[in-house]
Amino acid sequence: DVVMTQSPLSLPVTLGQPASISCRSSQSLVHSDGETYLSWFQQRPGQSPRRLIYKVSNRDSGVPDRFSGSGSGTDFTLKISRVEAEDVGVYYCMQGTHTWTFGQGTKVEIK
Amino acid sequence: QVQVMESGGGLVKPGESLRLSCAASGFIFSDYYITWIRQAPGKGLEWVSYLSGSGSYTKYADSVKGRFSISRDNARNLVFLQMNSLRADDTALYYCARAPIGTIDYWGQGTLVTVSS
Repeated sequence: DVVMTQSPLSLPVTLGQPASISCRSSQSLVHSDGETYLSWFQQRPGQSPRRLIYKVSNRDSGVPDRFSGSGSGTDFTLKISRVEAEDVGVYYCMQGTHTWTFGQGTKVEIK
Repeated sequence: QVQVMESGGGLVKPGESLRLSCAASGFIFSDYYITWIRQAPGKGLEWVSYLSGSGSYTKYADSVKGRFSISRDNARNLVFLQMNSLRADDTALYYCARAPIGTIDYWGQGTLVTVSS
C-alpha cells in the first residue's frame, strides 16, 4: 500500500501567520489517466471531515482562498496564508490514485 | 443538496456481526462510488471500502478483507456495510461518503461501532 507521511504532526501557529503542511507519498500519485488524486481534508473538533482541496490544487466551493494546495509526483503541500481561529483542527491528506490511504493527520492549534 | 446519513451502529461483542446503512439524497445515486471510512477514538482516518455506482466493483482495506462486505440498493439510494467477525480494533466512528473518482466530497456524520465484551 502507498504510505502517506505528513509533517509536522503538530503545528502551533500564531493568528494571522502562514502555515504549511507537507504530505509525501511512498509512490508517485500520477494515475494512468494522467490525473493526480491527492486531496486535503480539514476536521474541526467534533465534526466530520470536510474536503478543502482535490486533485492537488483545486479548492472546493466555499473554501477560503487562504487555503492552497500544490505539489506533484510524491511531494505535496497545503498552505494557509494567514491562519484564523476557525482553522483549528486536524488536516489530512489522502491519495486516491492507488488503494486509498490517508496521512496520519496534522493538528493545527493556535499558539 | 447532497446528503449522506449513516445508521446501524451500536455495541456488539467480539465475533458478532453488525450491518451499517448509508442513505443518500440530492444527487444521481447510481452515478457515484460510495465509500466507508472509519476513525477509531482519538485516531486518524482509515479507508475501509468502496463500491462503484453499479455495485459491480468493490474494494476493501486489508484490515477488513474477508470480514466486511459492501453492497448497494440503487432503487432505494442505500449502501450497506455488513461487518462480520468483529474485533475490538474495529471499534470506531464509521463514516459513509460520496466518492467521485479518486476522492471523497460529501461525508455523513458517522455512526459509532463499539466492539467490547
